[in-house]
Amino acid sequence: SQQGEEDPQALSIQEGENATMNCSYKTSINNLQWYRQNSGRGLVHLILIRSNEREKHSGRLRVTLDTSKKSSSLLITASRAADTASYFCATDETSGSRLTFGEGTQLTVNP
Amino acid sequence: DVKVTQSSRYLVKRTGEKVFLECVQDMDHENMFWYRQDPGLGLRLIYFSYDVKMKEKGDIPEGYSVSREKKERFSLILESASTNQTSMYLCASSLSGTYGYTFGSGTRLTVV
Repeated sequence: SQQGEEDPQALSIQEGENATMNCSYKTSINNLQWYRQNSGRGLVHLILIRSNEREKHSGRLRVTLDTSKKSSSLLITASRAADTASYFCATDETSGSRLTFGEGTQLTVNP
Repeated sequence: DVKVTQSSRYLVKRTGEKVFLECVQDMDHENMFWYRQDPGLGLRLIYFSYDVKMKEKGDIPEGYSVSREKKERFSLILESASTNQTSMYLCASSLSGTYGYTFGSGTRLTVV
């Protein structure tokens, strides 16, 4: 069953612009995580935000979490062509024991 | 550099064959997972394991089984491969639910 839903499904921007991806979920969570997947490869863990946190930064990444709206956003600042990938949110539900992934946002950064 | 290693990047098997997908992690993680990824369906959990010799069904276990005889190795078995099992298979491990997963590079399986 899908917990997280990413929006938009696809995003195309120019190098140097910021990219924002959103994720909505349905149930209570312990934490929410963002992953990146280059074409045909495995997923790479980017950042984890716990349910009692509202914002977290890692390099050019900024993640926010609004548990009242059950939503999260991932902002990539000053994007580069190398950021082209699919980005997934995943939720660690309080009632469950493993991560549930959304279907991802395909980000294309044009040079 | 810590890693999760999947034995094959690409695999082509015939319908009815028994298929073994191997996954090994070198991080001493307790938890290991098998997902399949299909266009439009995202990642779906097949099986997972929280300890040696234990296994739990995920969302789509039908047609699959798993084996975890040693902590570092988690094998996915397709008992009798079918064309609808053509997919990308991803193995992952984690220390616990409060930590991120480390994924292998994936195995693209084609059943003909």
